[in-house]
Amino acid sequence: DQQVKQNSPSLSVQEGRISILNCDYTNSMFDYFLWYKKYPAEGPTFLISISSIKDKNEDGRFTVFLNKSAKHLSLHIVPSQPGDSAVYFCAASAPGAGSYQLTFGKGTKLSVIP
Amino acid sequence: DTGVSQDPRHKITKRGQNVTFRCDPISEHNRLYWYRQTLGQGPEFLTYFQNEAQLEKSRLLSDRFSAERPKGSFSTLEIQRTEQGDSAMYLCASNSGTGGYNGQFFGPGTRLTVL
Repeated sequence: DQQVKQNSPSLSVQEGRISILNCDYTNSMFDYFLWYKKYPAEGPTFLISISSIKDKNEDGRFTVFLNKSAKHLSLHIVPSQPGDSAVYFCAASAPGAGSYQLTFGKGTKLSVIP
Repeated sequence: DTGVSQDPRHKITKRGQNVTFRCDPISEHNRLYWYRQTLGQGPEFLTYFQNEAQLEKSRLLSDRFSAERPKGSFSTLEIQRTEQGDSAMYLCASNSGTGGYNGQFFGPGTRLTVL
């Protein structure tokens, strides 16, 4: 059972436009959500996170929105740049044993076209 | 560079052989995680250390897998009697736990190919 779902395997966006990456989750115990970016042959790089007590968090060009009732979050990148081309993973964490282990989605490959 | 480092970056082995991977976390981080990523999937949690204590293990971690973190610094992940299904990217991550939550910082991974 996949607790974190990214239903779009890929997304193409024109440079300068907005990129919207979506993520759904099923486990209502998740209380922290994160987005990671991954280039080939590198480990995931932490981008931005949001606590379940908030509905929006912004960091520069990146904004994450959380809709708890819909169990849905999204990452907005504005404006999109060619260097943003990468695989983006949504991840979630639930309290339990204090480990804060992450549960990841399968990722969405973003291509920003110059 | 003060990020998480992993060694080796690539490992090719024959089925049935044992392999060992090393992870050096960010020096002040007391929490260390191992994940496994296969093609087309996101990383999957394997195990977690707080300092030298292994506090959590996933059911993915069969008895052929063992992880250690002596002295609470670097960690090793050993796979005995490797199988072709063990082929994956093995990722290590670390962070510090002082209450609440902060992001985990990942290393570049070790890509294992079992022939």
